[in-house]
Amino acid sequence: DTAVSQTPKYLVTQMGNDKSIKCEQNLGHDTMYWYKQDSKKFLKIMFSYNNKELIINETVPNRFSPKSPDKAHLNLHINSLELGDSAVYFCASGVAETQYFGPGTRLLVL
Amino acid sequence: SQQGEEDPQALSIQEGENATMNCSYKTSINNLQWYRQNSGRGLVHLILIRSNEREKHSGRLRVTLDTSKKSSSLLITASRAADTASYFCATGKDNAGNMLTFGGGTRLMVKP
Repeated sequence: DTAVSQTPKYLVTQMGNDKSIKCEQNLGHDTMYWYKQDSKKFLKIMFSYNNKELIINETVPNRFSPKSPDKAHLNLHINSLELGDSAVYFCASGVAETQYFGPGTRLLVL
Repeated sequence: SQQGEEDPQALSIQEGENATMNCSYKTSINNLQWYRQNSGRGLVHLILIRSNEREKHSGRLRVTLDTSKKSSSLLITASRAADTASYFCATGKDNAGNMLTFGGGTRLMVKP
């Protein structure tokens, strides 16, 4: 009965690979988000998405793309992975101002 | 750059003491929120204060907001070892669920 879930929990991959991280929420929220947390714990918004609008943080490389098959899912696809992509990626969903976070996916690019 | 900057970056106290963390931000906001992150886990929403509010309480938590100084504080009273975590402030520009901007966090350690 996890509210926001992500898979996989850990992801180790080689530079240049393409990978996806899945996110699902069972809270019925309209809006979902992806955040990146770096090694210094800074948390940075990447995308905000609902069924009407995708808002992209302009600093996010276009190698990153969100894909939403339905309202309960927002997956993150990353092309041509780079060393600097290593981080913890958090999915969240929200209603009004409050957001509910998933447990995170720890990505390590070798 | 980070919208919110937290101070201190790290705080170590004894169980039973109070912990105060501060957050400053740069632009106008609709609301300010505090989240907690236990090691290796996701963030958990603690409390939200709107721009027209000055103080809010929730259990052992007390949040203040000074929009003239663009700053907020989080006070945890009678701390417990279980309060050990990182605490983040996040600012929202509107009430429609737009993207939050997070500070760098304060790492709180409560020693038993």
